[in-house]
Amino acid sequence: DAMVIQNPRYQVTQFGKPVTLSCSQTLNHNVMYWYQQKSSQAPKLLFHYYDKDFNNEADTPDNFQSRRPNTSFCFLDIRSPGLGDAAMYLCATSRVTGAVSGYTFGSGTRLTVV
Amino acid sequence: TQLLEQSPQFLSIQEGENLTVYCNSSSVFSSLQWYRQEPGEGPVLLVTVVTGGEVKKLKRLTFQFGDARKDSSLHITAAQPGDTGLYLCAGARSDYKLSFGAGTTVTVRA
Repeated sequence: DAMVIQNPRYQVTQFGKPVTLSCSQTLNHNVMYWYQQKSSQAPKLLFHYYDKDFNNEADTPDNFQSRRPNTSFCFLDIRSPGLGDAAMYLCATSRVTGAVSGYTFGSGTRLTVV
Repeated sequence: TQLLEQSPQFLSIQEGENLTVYCNSSSVFSSLQWYRQEPGEGPVLLVTVVTGGEVKKLKRLTFQFGDARKDSSLHITAAQPGDTGLYLCAGARSDYKLSFGAGTTVTVRA
């Protein structure tokens, strides 16, 4: 089945230690997104790729970076995780008509910072 | 600033009861989507509404888009424990970008 896969499902990292979360898709969607979701809050868009074109949200901290080496894969790098970065990180993909066709989300990576 | 306000934030009902959750905004959206998110999983698309006044039904779920395309509601008839989850609405910011509400957590007790 075509899908969006995130690895790992759970990640524990030390305060200040770089961590990378990965996302892969078999849908061949043009757009890939990274969201941060904290308890009882709306998913917050960090950035997205439209093909190879990277688009950062204005309020995304510099601590967060992303790479998309090809259509299928996208990575979220957190350079120096702080306690406030503990959250669920969701990867999503869509066609260029995503506002109508909808997003496909992965199962998320739950990040714990100790 | 939260573009989309969802209410109530939490809702707990008994199996077999009906419920309605709301999604409101001061902005007009060209389309609006509803997602359900189960604990530990990513959101799953339920429906997209695009026309003011549109009503869509998905089994026991009824979705309505307001005439002015600023608000939407989700009504569940005869709720079941399998309906438990976080219901998120999302409005279109562009052809493909969405703004999400904070969601309504629905718990259906057996």
